[in-house]
Amino acid sequence: QKEVEQNSGPLSVPEGAIASLNCTYSDRGSQSFFWYRQYSGKSPELIMFIYSNGDKEDGRFTAQLNKASQYVSLLIRDSQPSDSATYLCAVCPNFGNEKLTFGTGTRLTIIP
Amino acid sequence: SQTIHQWPATLVQPVGSPLSLECTVEGTSNPNLYWYRQAAGRGLQLLFYSVGIGQISSEVPQNLSASRPQDRQFILSSKKLLLSDSGFYLCAWGKRGEAFFGQGTRLTVV
Repeated sequence: QKEVEQNSGPLSVPEGAIASLNCTYSDRGSQSFFWYRQYSGKSPELIMFIYSNGDKEDGRFTAQLNKASQYVSLLIRDSQPSDSATYLCAVCPNFGNEKLTFGTGTRLTIIP
Repeated sequence: SQTIHQWPATLVQPVGSPLSLECTVEGTSNPNLYWYRQAAGRGLQLLFYSVGIGQISSEVPQNLSASRPQDRQFILSSKKLLLSDSGFYLCAWGKRGEAFFGQGTRLTVV
């Protein structure tokens, strides 16, 4: 069974610091990787995707992928209270569809 | 720009009653459409997906069904709800690998 594992948290980070969120996946053939942010009671919002090994930066967010270790991470620099949410890691086995396998999410709290 | 509409936002239904949740997408044509469910304390689980009108694939055996009567319309149904059907139901559309979610329907079966 294909699995995506995340530490459920909560992860508490001081405002202005770097938040580091981690995810591992079991399907070695996975092709695309996503990070979603979900505020309490709301639907998930796509914030980053990555397909290739290495780093991908978008503003304060950096996604990191290591296919050999089957590991994906999300770094949030200069953390803000508005970053407090649950972060969902999602994995897709191939390109061309969006049949995602999600982790259970990591709850992040930014402390002012 | 593309938008996705999903309704109702919340729903309380008795056990054994029918269900119909509707989702429509605007601003794109021939999207892949999905129904996911998020149960309390669990990750999102893919229920159904559709790559075109009348084309439905089920990912897990369950008490639910889906239909796609029009290109940008996706419907989730049940003839008789169970307590275990409670959860947060999310419709999503996707293109080029990226999935975008509607606002969700929180269903409580009592």
